[in-house]
Amino acid sequence: DAKTTQPPSMDCAEGRAANLPCNHSTISGNEYVYWYRQIHSQGPQYIIHGLKNNETNEMASLIITEDRKSSTLILPHATLRDTAVYYCIVRVRYSGNTPLVFGKGTRLSVIA
Amino acid sequence: NAGVTQTPKFQVLKTGQSMTLQCAQDMNHEYMSWYRQDPGMGLRLIHYSVGAGITDQGEVPNGYNVSRSTTEDFPLRLLSAAPSQTSVYFCASSYSMGPGNEKLFFGSGTQLSVL
Repeated sequence: DAKTTQPPSMDCAEGRAANLPCNHSTISGNEYVYWYRQIHSQGPQYIIHGLKNNETNEMASLIITEDRKSSTLILPHATLRDTAVYYCIVRVRYSGNTPLVFGKGTRLSVIA
Repeated sequence: NAGVTQTPKFQVLKTGQSMTLQCAQDMNHEYMSWYRQDPGMGLRLIHYSVGAGITDQGEVPNGYNVSRSTTEDFPLRLLSAAPSQTSVYFCASSYSMGPGNEKLFFGSGTQLSVL
């Protein structure tokens, strides 16, 4: 089963790009990479997901390396409201119904 | 469209009491799940359901029961509350859990304290 490794915490200056890394060296070919975030006391919020191509939406960009062993979530212009815990998740085992498993994530602090 | 609604938001129980945490979604999602979150920890899966009448255990199912009689509702029952069940509980739903579709929508959580 693929597992993820994320730094426990990071800081980013307001207005700068926040780059959050995630290692998933044992990822299988049919497993997606998902990113969620959790702002204090709220339920987690879906951000973005991808398989092997880079993805972008209104919230963030996801860069997946060619060997798929790591990825980076990019918040292009971080604001104070982006302060949150960010979870990188790889689908543990494809069975069609296997739930997502959350780790401890990265606590991102955006500093004014 | 309310999304995922959890009630109550806060609850205090005494050891040994029972209660049900309610979760309802109005998005016609097949998949629903319950997570608990303890301080400084990530989310841990308790139980999940892939459709009405179908439930399965997650990582930490002991002390909790679930049932899924309708698509909309997925209550979580604590049969005999213990202090170790003090936590924040989140309900989540998704249209499906097929690869590439695991976009979960979360409720706002229930803060439970067991004394």
